[in-house]
Amino acid sequence: GENVEQHPSTLSVQEGDSAVIKCTYSDSASNYFPWYKQELGKRPQLIIDIRSNVGEKKDQRIAVTLNKTAKHFSLHITETQPEDSAVYFCAASISNSGYALNFGKGTSLLVTP
Amino acid sequence: GAVVSQHPSWVICKSGTSVKIECRSLDFQATTMFWYRQFPKQSLMLMATSNEGSKATYEQGVEKDKFLINHASLTLSTLTVTSAHPEDSSFYICSSPGLAGASRNEQFFGPGTRLTVL
Repeated sequence: GENVEQHPSTLSVQEGDSAVIKCTYSDSASNYFPWYKQELGKRPQLIIDIRSNVGEKKDQRIAVTLNKTAKHFSLHITETQPEDSAVYFCAASISNSGYALNFGKGTSLLVTP
Repeated sequence: GAVVSQHPSWVICKSGTSVKIECRSLDFQATTMFWYRQFPKQSLMLMATSNEGSKATYEQGVEKDKFLINHASLTLSTLTVTSAHPEDSSFYICSSPGLAGASRNEQFFGPGTRLTVL
């Protein structure tokens, strides 16, 4: 079936540096691409999302870029802080599914002081 | 708005017993509810889609007779894990799409249920 690939699986950066996580998807009909932050034992928390008619979106320190032709999208976190440490998941909408999501395998981000 | 609650938050049961997980939309009508499963240190995997008043749609590899889904009202969907075994131990999360309009895609997740089968 359709899937979402996410890289890297782990990422360690120093506080203040930028972090970039990349995802590719295979379903050409996907039109919604959210990013989630998940802390251990808790529900995923939406941090930013982008729709297929937009190439880039920014919200303070967080930005997402989408290349529909290449079927990849990326999360950029600038000026990272220790509290950004968590697992991040990208996802892509599943076409003809009523808005269900296909998730990447996650990236464990560690921001060291 | 768009709050989803889930109960219980955690449950421990013996192998062979059944466990029911409830997912409620508190301030909106959830015509669709998605059920995901997340094994430790893994991603969320879609198990099934439930629609109010109709049969659930299961993803490939998910046994419909083992994971019974009922969506009898616009505010309640339930997942029953029948004859649970240790390999069913997981974090189960429900979610519902957002309200009409531009935010329709956004998912509202329940807090999850941690199931441990001994």
